[in-house]
Amino acid sequence: DIQMTQSPSSLSASVGDRVTITCRASRSISSYLNWYQQKPGKVPRVLIFAASSLQSGVPSRFSGSGSGTDFTLTISSLQPEDFATYYCRQSYSPPWTFGQGTKVQIK
Amino acid sequence: EVQLVESGGGLVQPGRSLRLSCVASGFTFDDYAMHWVRQAPGKGLEWVSGISWNGGTIDYADSVKGRFTISRDNAKNSLYLQVNSLRAEDTALYYCVKEGLDSNGFYKFFHSWGQGALVTVSS
Repeated sequence: DIQMTQSPSSLSASVGDRVTITCRASRSISSYLNWYQQKPGKVPRVLIFAASSLQSGVPSRFSGSGSGTDFTLTISSLQPEDFATYYCRQSYSPPWTFGQGTKVQIK
Repeated sequence: EVQLVESGGGLVQPGRSLRLSCVASGFTFDDYAMHWVRQAPGKGLEWVSGISWNGGTIDYADSVKGRFTISRDNAKNSLYLQVNSLRAEDTALYYCVKEGLDSNGFYKFFHSWGQGALVTVSS
């Protein structure tokens, strides 16, 4: 199975900050990497697929990069509605696996 | 608009069984693979099982293999998860999820999620 490891597990940031979350796969997954956002009490929604493709309707301040084993989700200017938990997930081979999540909190 | 409505959750004793159902609308159900993803209280997301559009390919997480069975009825736009031999660690919100694909059909992602069915395993 492919293990996904996110860092950090949590972070505190202010509105307007640039935020970076990393995700590492236990072996190469090419660009088969998604990012999801989950707000408290809400269902997750996909932000990024294919490592760097922005899902329709997602603000352009979100971006993804990386390939192979190392990936990054960047929020260029954090907005109040971005405080949430973010998960990476590999779509390379089953069993499909998520990272443990990164909680972005208000500083 | 895609709608996924789960049902069948509840409080169940360890070792017992449940059948979760998901009724889909707003898209051509038999064009898409479907999944179950769960989330234990206060914890992260865990993929449980997935089934291809015609049921020809089925996958399970190691944690549920041999105990859970996924199926679908395309005539009824429905997805199912039979959960047997339940354990306390199966307590979670179970989401029905529609798979999405990029325009070239190479990259998969979890496109739409239901609100979830809560399964609580306790004596």
